[in-house]
Amino acid sequence: GESVGLHLPTLSVQEGDNSIINCAYSNSASDYFIWYKQESGKGPQFIIDIRSNMDKRQGQRVTVLLNKTVKHLSLQIAATQPGDSAVYFCAENISGGYNKLIFGAGTRLAVHP
Amino acid sequence: GAVVSQHPSWVICKSGTSVKIECRSLDFQATTMFWYRQFPKQSLMLMATSNEGSKATYEQGVEKDKFLINHASLTLSTLTVTSAHPEDSSFYICSARELGQGAGGYTFGSGTRLTVV
Repeated sequence: GESVGLHLPTLSVQEGDNSIINCAYSNSASDYFIWYKQESGKGPQFIIDIRSNMDKRQGQRVTVLLNKTVKHLSLQIAATQPGDSAVYFCAENISGGYNKLIFGAGTRLAVHP
Repeated sequence: GAVVSQHPSWVICKSGTSVKIECRSLDFQATTMFWYRQFPKQSLMLMATSNEGSKATYEQGVEKDKFLINHASLTLSTLTVTSAHPEDSSFYICSARELGQGAGGYTFGSGTRLTVV
């Protein structure tokens, strides 16, 4: 199977702080990127997406930044809450004959009260 | 919104038997469905892309005879793990892409925890 990295680092933050989760992607031809949140034993949950022709997109409490020069994606979560504790994955949409979504390594976010 | 139902949510089977996992798009048509495998504390690894009415496209290193995929209709894809062994124990997740969606439009099922004993 195809994946970007197999390690799962952990980011620990205090409740109320801002969190920044980073991701490196591999394919220059990826046209679309998505951040997912995954809680234990569940499928990925969509958070926010960004097209490759953009460098920033904001949602409710979340911001995604895209740096195509260094193939880097970040997810910023403002005022992190205990309910934000989960594993976060970036994913890149690779277009071609059939579109497919390839996931990055993931980061576990632990929010402490 | 789009909903993907995956069944069963967990299954325990004996080594050597086969297990079938279903993935259904409940309120939309999906020409393409995807199957992922996830080991503990690891990322989702794409196994194969399932296309309605044609053969599935498997990722490099995934045994097509081991993981049989059938996409019989626009709302149903199945993954059968044949002759399961303990090393096949994993969390299997499907995703469906809504017909007519541009980039994106991926909806994920809630996953199936397979334990082979």
